[in-house]
Amino acid sequence: DVKVTQSSRYLVKRTGEKVFLECVQDMDHENMFWYRQDPGLGLRLIYFSYDVKMKEKGDIPEGYSVSREKKERFSLILESASTNQTSMYLCASSYGGVANTEAFFGQGTRLTVV
Amino acid sequence: GEDVEQSLFLSVREGDSSVINCTYTDSSSTYLYWYKQEPGAGLQLLTYIFSNMDMKQDQRLTVLLNKKDKHLSLRIADTQTGDSAIYFCAGGGYQKVTFGTGTKLQVIP
Repeated sequence: DVKVTQSSRYLVKRTGEKVFLECVQDMDHENMFWYRQDPGLGLRLIYFSYDVKMKEKGDIPEGYSVSREKKERFSLILESASTNQTSMYLCASSYGGVANTEAFFGQGTRLTVV
Repeated sequence: GEDVEQSLFLSVREGDSSVINCTYTDSSSTYLYWYKQEPGAGLQLLTYIFSNMDMKQDQRLTVLLNKKDKHLSLRIADTQTGDSAIYFCAGGGYQKVTFGTGTKLQVIP
């Protein structure tokens, strides 16, 4: 079974804090993604990575950065958390190199910024 | 980029059929997907259809694709209370997939 594990289910952080969200996958997938999910807006892609040390901006990268030092781990960083970054964050991974890009998702991290 | 739109809410009675609709803008999407999200969980792939197909059936699920109108639908036959969830359509090709807004399906016993 493919497993995508996000380090926290719930996080509460203060405005201005630097926040790290960690994601690990165990299927040797090339592609990894970070989305945020907000009611009525669906999933919006923040960043994705198709290889170690590679990253691409998604649709809403502002206020975020990412790190992929190892193939299995993809970190999302909020440099200075703000209240409008309160959201559900979902990490996903997929096998690269084929067009059928089924994505496997983690359970999500619900982040609240106060 | 791709835009994918869905209605936000659908309510059906247990045993009836549910039809969830989706429209997309990028006709170059190679695959179109339906994902299901149960409460408190991440998304799981339900089914997908290759862009050169019109229909795909998988047990209680039927996917219809109208490429001319860029319209995708998911029909769930004999809807059960366990089908209550948010359903996302998504389109894409290599690497990047764009998700719709999600349709919350409520099944009334």
